[in-house]
Amino acid sequence: GESVGLHLPTLSVQEGDNSIINCAYSNSASDYFIWYKQESGKGPQFIIDIRSNMDKRQGQRVTVLLNKTVKHLSLQIAATQPGDSAVYFCAENTLQEYGNKLVFGAGTILRVKS
Amino acid sequence: GAVVSQHPSRVICKSGTSVKIECRSLDFQATTMFWYRQFPKQSLMLMATSNEGSKATYEQGVEKDKFLINHASLTLSTLTVTSAHPEDSSFYICSAREWRLASTDTQYFGPGTRLTVL
Repeated sequence: GESVGLHLPTLSVQEGDNSIINCAYSNSASDYFIWYKQESGKGPQFIIDIRSNMDKRQGQRVTVLLNKTVKHLSLQIAATQPGDSAVYFCAENTLQEYGNKLVFGAGTILRVKS
Repeated sequence: GAVVSQHPSRVICKSGTSVKIECRSLDFQATTMFWYRQFPKQSLMLMATSNEGSKATYEQGVEKDKFLINHASLTLSTLTVTSAHPEDSSFYICSAREWRLASTDTQYFGPGTRLTVL
């Protein structure tokens, strides 16, 4: 069945270090993946996305890597800042009979230590 | 651009009452809106997909008679939790997909509504 899971439920990093958040997905037919950041009491905030015809995409301080061979997705945050502390979700886009839907992973809590 | 709002941001109600939550796309038209539920320390779970002018499609295990969804215009979808019970207490989040960009699959999320049923 469909599932998107994360290896690490909590990640603590020192301010200024790089963070890597991982995600495994199971639906090899998924063609679009997104990383979201969610702060306490708020809705998910889009960070970066990647399509299945790519293996890497870079944004401002963030990079997403996609390894379709092992169905693995990662989010790299460079020079992590206290404001990066939040829960991070990966999501995969799956095609349904009635359209597309997002399946979210379990989430990783990122704690940035000053 | 691509701002989605929800109202109210939080609501407390008595068991047995109904609660309506609004989701609006403020600067774009959304042919499709999605409703999610999120329990504490858990992920977002899709409840239903709402297409403007048609009936919503509910995910398995979600009671359509309990969670009424109306998507009457391209900028507004409503979720009504009927006869709410304490177990319905949760964080309800909507998202919207812009009709011109439907092929991109990008969803824009609202800020969420915290529902507490006493």
